[in-house]
Amino acid sequence: KQEVTQIPAALSVPEGENLVLNCSFTDSAIYNLQWFRQDPGKGLTSLLLIQSSQREQTSGRLNASLDKSSGRSTLYIAASQPGDSATYLCAVMTSYGKLTFGQGTILTVHP
Amino acid sequence: DADVTQTPRNRITKTGKRIMLECSQTKGHDRMYWYRQDPGLGLRLIYYSFDVKDINKGEISDGYSVSRQAQAKFSLSLESAIPNQTALYFCATSGIGEEDTGELFFGEGSRLTVL
Repeated sequence: KQEVTQIPAALSVPEGENLVLNCSFTDSAIYNLQWFRQDPGKGLTSLLLIQSSQREQTSGRLNASLDKSSGRSTLYIAASQPGDSATYLCAVMTSYGKLTFGQGTILTVHP
Repeated sequence: DADVTQTPRNRITKTGKRIMLECSQTKGHDRMYWYRQDPGLGLRLIYYSFDVKDINKGEISDGYSVSRQAQAKFSLSLESAIPNQTALYFCATSGIGEEDTGELFFGEGSRLTVL
């Protein structure tokens, strides 16, 4: 059974800091890994998707890396802004399409 | 229009009532999923379907049933709602294949309260 863990559970940083969110998974036989953002009471917005054959993906100030062999992914946010405050979720998809989520990291960026 | 649409967005009901949450998608994806989200427990998979004739139980299917009426429609039913089914429910779709990355697309969620 795939288990996905996110550390830290919550993070509070001042505006402008660079930060790293961590995601680990127990079964390295994955199809892809996705990072999502969720605002309170809202749906999930896809941020980055990394295929199993890829090592990283970048979108603007976001960079996600994947190390399948160690079962880890990181989401790097550069120059954080108050608008980045949200819950960040990682999800791992197996080759047969089943998706398992971590419990998320609650990020607060204060001015 | 949204790629994945859920109805209703909010529903308050009483214990014992039958409830249906509906999901429709315009992505043309074969794979559809129902999740529930509870504070501190993250998203948990209830049911998933890889095509109209393929439906599978997830982690927490007890007390729920689903119907895949068409490729674009996947409904979740609570035959006799109970208070611990109070949660935020999400529908999602994905495609896997030569032209699909497996990216997951979510609806906006259906907030269900069972009194």
